[in-house]
Amino acid sequence: QQQVKQSPQSLIVQKGGISIINCAYENTAFDYFPWYQQFPGKGPALLIAIRPDVSEKKEGRFTISFNKSAKQFSLHIMDSQPGDSATYFCAAFSSRRIQGAQKLVFGQGTRLTINP
Amino acid sequence: EAGVVQSPRYKIIEKKQPVAFWCNPISGHNTLYWYRQNLGQGPELLIRYENEEAVDDSQLPKDRFSAERLKGVDSTLKIQPAELGDSAVYLCASSFRPRSSTDTQYFGPGTRLTVL
Repeated sequence: QQQVKQSPQSLIVQKGGISIINCAYENTAFDYFPWYQQFPGKGPALLIAIRPDVSEKKEGRFTISFNKSAKQFSLHIMDSQPGDSATYFCAAFSSRRIQGAQKLVFGQGTRLTINP
Repeated sequence: EAGVVQSPRYKIIEKKQPVAFWCNPISGHNTLYWYRQNLGQGPELLIRYENEEAVDDSQLPKDRFSAERLKGVDSTLKIQPAELGDSAVYLCASSFRPRSSTDTQYFGPGTRLTVL
């Protein structure tokens, strides 16, 4: 129940296209859903995050869509650029003060390649 | 402002040898996390500190792993003895308000450990 399932494992998109990465979770105690971007040799860096009381959040070319009833959320990268090539991780967090909570649970990651 | 600092960046050791990793979190961040990231996977929490107290070490293999955070600032993660399966990237992260559902964790670049 603590798992976050992410797909696809890898994705190739042409420059200017839309990249879409999907995640699903089971634990309804999760109340914060961040996306992290990781370049080779670097640690993950927060890209954008959403709470379950909204269905969409947009920051520049990056949008999170959130479907609470389906327990799914996705990252959309509009006008994808070669510089967006990286590994993307979705994650989920529960702020409840119970055992097993208050830690980020990461998906398996998606390696995104944007072809010029 | 300096980010999370980790050293060494790379470490190659023979199995059964000890190894230690060091982390200096962002100034003012009272919460520190150690994660392990296996190749092609998302990070998994090993231990979380609030100040100098380890508040979640449920995923730390205590037979061979130990950690400390003296004075509530820097932290050291140790493995003794190392096994082949310990080869991974060890990430340190820090945050300011861990109980907030919107708190951001900032990651260091990690230490890539190879056990031969």
